[in-house]
Amino acid sequence: KAGVTQTPRYLIKTRGQQVTLSCSPISGHRSVSWYQQTPGQGLQFLFEYFSETQRNKGNFPGRFSGRQFSNSRSEMNVSTLELGDSALYLCASSWARDNTNYGYTFGSGTRLTVV
Amino acid sequence: QKEVEQDPGPLSVPEGAIVSLNCTYSNSAFQYFMWYRQYSRKGPELLMYTYSSGNKEDGRFTAQVDKSSKYISLFIRDSQPSDSATYLCAMRSGGSYIPTFGRGTSLIVHP
Repeated sequence: KAGVTQTPRYLIKTRGQQVTLSCSPISGHRSVSWYQQTPGQGLQFLFEYFSETQRNKGNFPGRFSGRQFSNSRSEMNVSTLELGDSALYLCASSWARDNTNYGYTFGSGTRLTVV
Repeated sequence: QKEVEQDPGPLSVPEGAIVSLNCTYSNSAFQYFMWYRQYSRKGPELLMYTYSSGNKEDGRFTAQVDKSSKYISLFIRDSQPSDSATYLCAMRSGGSYIPTFGRGTSLIVHP
């Protein structure tokens, strides 16, 4: 059974550019959440999608956006990149919003470096 | 003060030692408690999931929740070098689907 697939694995961008990251959840999983992980702040919640609708949003500026497609695949976009956006971006999927007893299945992440 | 506090370590122990990893939290509404393990250059993977107070055992791993003290622990018996990783605690309330994560504790088990 394929895991959560995130592409690309590594990305280098320049300040001011925009970037799109992709996530393919485990087949059958309908909930996709995105997290930003940095050494200083740890894992911080960005947003959650379920059945193509954003259900929850974390405390990030509007430069961070996302969407989910009908096949549950998700993308997140960051516009006008800043140096502080350098981080590991993790996608996590679960078969239901209430992931009791199962938790998330995470992808290996996209390492974004902004120069 | 963050909602979930976790000592980042690193915690270095010899192979075979019993390891204790801990988190404290401030939100008394938290009911679901999780431990994730994250290897370098990988995403976190779920180790243990417990509801409310008490103990849960799975092989060499035991998760313990003390809601009265707002304190959770993960014990690893007979630790192995392959257990070297970052361990993150996570927890959520019954009314939220979004867990709050600790910053993670780096564990090094040396042969």
